[in-house]
Amino acid sequence: GAVVSQHPSRVICKSGTSVKIECRSLDFQATTMFWYRQFPKQSLMLMATSNEGSKATYEQGVEKDKFLINHASLTLSTLTVTSAHPEDSSFYICSARSLAGFRTDTQYFGPGTRLTVL
Amino acid sequence: GDSVTQMEGPVTLSEEAFLTINCTYTATGYPSLFWYVQYPGEGLQLLLKATKADDKGSNKGFEATYRKETTSFHLEKGSVQVSDSAVYFCALSAPVSNFGNEKLTFGTGTRLTIIP
Repeated sequence: GAVVSQHPSRVICKSGTSVKIECRSLDFQATTMFWYRQFPKQSLMLMATSNEGSKATYEQGVEKDKFLINHASLTLSTLTVTSAHPEDSSFYICSARSLAGFRTDTQYFGPGTRLTVL
Repeated sequence: GDSVTQMEGPVTLSEEAFLTINCTYTATGYPSLFWYVQYPGEGLQLLLKATKADDKGSNKGFEATYRKETTSFHLEKGSVQVSDSAVYFCALSAPVSNFGNEKLTFGTGTRLTIIP
């Protein structure tokens, strides 16, 4: 149980185009989803926290107009990288937290999406 | 702000060796502490966790004890296997709002390779 999927697993795009990444909780409902970015040989950096039906909360230094997050249902959140540039190339990872349990602090992670911007 | 410092890798051990990966943290209040593991080509998986001082988390032969006095949560395993080869992340979670949206702060990860 507690499986999170991401699609696509890998994407290559041209500079200036937009890319959408989907994050789905397959067998549970998630009120909260998180989006992370991981640079090579570095830790995961939280980009934003997404609550179903409300606006995402972005971390300091993350451009909300650049990284659009939509959490339209309890099983789906999307991250759209708008007007992508080579410096946006990275590994993007989502996680989801189950509704089960009050203030549960276990996040379940997706396998990640490798974005390469040419 | 909150931070996690963990042992830099890579770490290479022979099968059946004893493993320790050090992790220390800085946080206000009383965070929950976690170890996540990332196997090649897969997402992060929760390995174990501890929510209060002196708690010991354990799973698959791995253990870590929440030491408040030394602000540490070192990961140990008595006899590692080739299948334990992965990247291990130490993390902490501290509440940031009344909505319970606890944020995870990760260490940089330690790549472990076990050779037969």
